[in-house]
Amino acid sequence: NAGVTQTPKFQVLKTGQSMTLQCAQDMNHNSMYWYRQDPGMGLRLIYYSASEGTTDKGEVPNGYNVSRLNKREFSLRLESAAPSQTSVYFCASSSDRGLSRAFFGQGTRLTVV
Amino acid sequence: AQSVTQPDIHITVSEGASLELRCNYSYGATPYLFWYVQSPGQGLQLLLKYFSGDTLVQGIKGFEAEFKRSQSSFNLRKPSVHWSDAAEYFCAVGAGGGRGSTLGRLYFGRGTQLTVWP
Repeated sequence: NAGVTQTPKFQVLKTGQSMTLQCAQDMNHNSMYWYRQDPGMGLRLIYYSASEGTTDKGEVPNGYNVSRLNKREFSLRLESAAPSQTSVYFCASSSDRGLSRAFFGQGTRLTVV
Repeated sequence: AQSVTQPDIHITVSEGASLELRCNYSYGATPYLFWYVQSPGQGLQLLLKYFSGDTLVQGIKGFEAEFKRSQSSFNLRKPSVHWSDAAEYFCAVGAGGGRGSTLGRLYFGRGTQLTVWP
């Protein structure tokens, strides 16, 4: 019972480099989310996918793109990393009905130098 | 607009003392309310949630929270804190809904860091 799995756990990028954060869930959830967590800011929603084939912007989408590859996988891409994107990134998933519980991955700590 | 306010950035209590972490929310519909805990280097773990019914909800690790609609609050409490409770605590508000809605979209407070003195 893996739940939500994120890779990688840690990453250091140089400014301007690109990378993709991977997220997969094995709970057959329709909805998946990407959040970033910064000190004193709580978690802020970057993008979400309410169902396979759909994606929508959250509070802080600039500089990011997402792909809902299939029902299990939801990736987050940084095309040209900037130091302001240094953060901890969390993927989450939830079922359709009533948000009974949102499951979070362990996070990816990204540093952009 | 939806928002969650956790007024206390950092709280320090002695082990064995009681604890109350405050949470106020602003939400346009009937809210679903959550408390999460995050230990250093870890993801978020759900402590408890309120959807409807009894306004006093029990969670894991001996925590409870009370929903007060008139005060737009959902404060987290524990009668006796243990050293292992030291962590960061997040209050969140969200909504249920049907397929294709912003179901599951949670709005988080900025967190309260709890330090426990031995």
